[in-house]
Amino acid sequence: KNQVEQSPQSLIILEGKNCTLQCNYTVSPFSNLRWYKQDTGRGPVSLTIMTFSENTKSNGRYTATLDADTKQSSLHITASQLSDSASYICVVRLDNYGQNFVFGPGTRLSVLP
Amino acid sequence: GAVVSQHPSWVICKSGTSVKIECRSLDFQATTMFWYRQFPKQSLMLMATSNEGSKATYEQGVEKDKFLINHASLTLSTLTVTSAHPEDSSFYICSARDLKRYRVGFGSSPLHFGNGTRLTVT
Repeated sequence: KNQVEQSPQSLIILEGKNCTLQCNYTVSPFSNLRWYKQDTGRGPVSLTIMTFSENTKSNGRYTATLDADTKQSSLHITASQLSDSASYICVVRLDNYGQNFVFGPGTRLSVLP
Repeated sequence: GAVVSQHPSWVICKSGTSVKIECRSLDFQATTMFWYRQFPKQSLMLMATSNEGSKATYEQGVEKDKFLINHASLTLSTLTVTSAHPEDSSFYICSARDLKRYRVGFGSSPLHFGNGTRLTVT
């Protein structure tokens, strides 16, 4: 069964601290993996898109890693800010020819002052 | 950058009425758009895939007669919730793929989301 799991379900950190969110998937055939940030009451915004051959990709304070062998990805947030408070969703695309995206349940991050 | 505009951002309607939600790609063409619904503290659930010029493809369990989708142009898809009931209250989100980038980065084209529509049926 194609599935994307994320951990932790929720996370609370203090402003300025770093954190790492995890994503495990059992999706085949794999095309790419995406991380999105979703603010409350808004649509998701893309952070990174990673293909099979990419191990690390950064977008400002966000760094995503991908281990295609173990089917794991992580999103590391450096020097967190209050505006980082949001849900972070891991999405895996099944293949290059279809329109199939499998969404993870998300991790709810709260950054406190 | 690419933007997907969704309208309205929120709507309150009475039970039994119909509500139309618009999804527009503002600076790119989208042959395919997606419609999702999201319940509180849950992730997005794909409802249907909207294809320009043809019928939408609905996910299992989604009533096509209740959730009417029209994709009349390369930049506009609409979702109409017909005879809405309180259980249809949810957050509805659309997304669209950038056609130009689809050709350049095959398979890795950006998926842009609208800001969602909060539907409350009383």
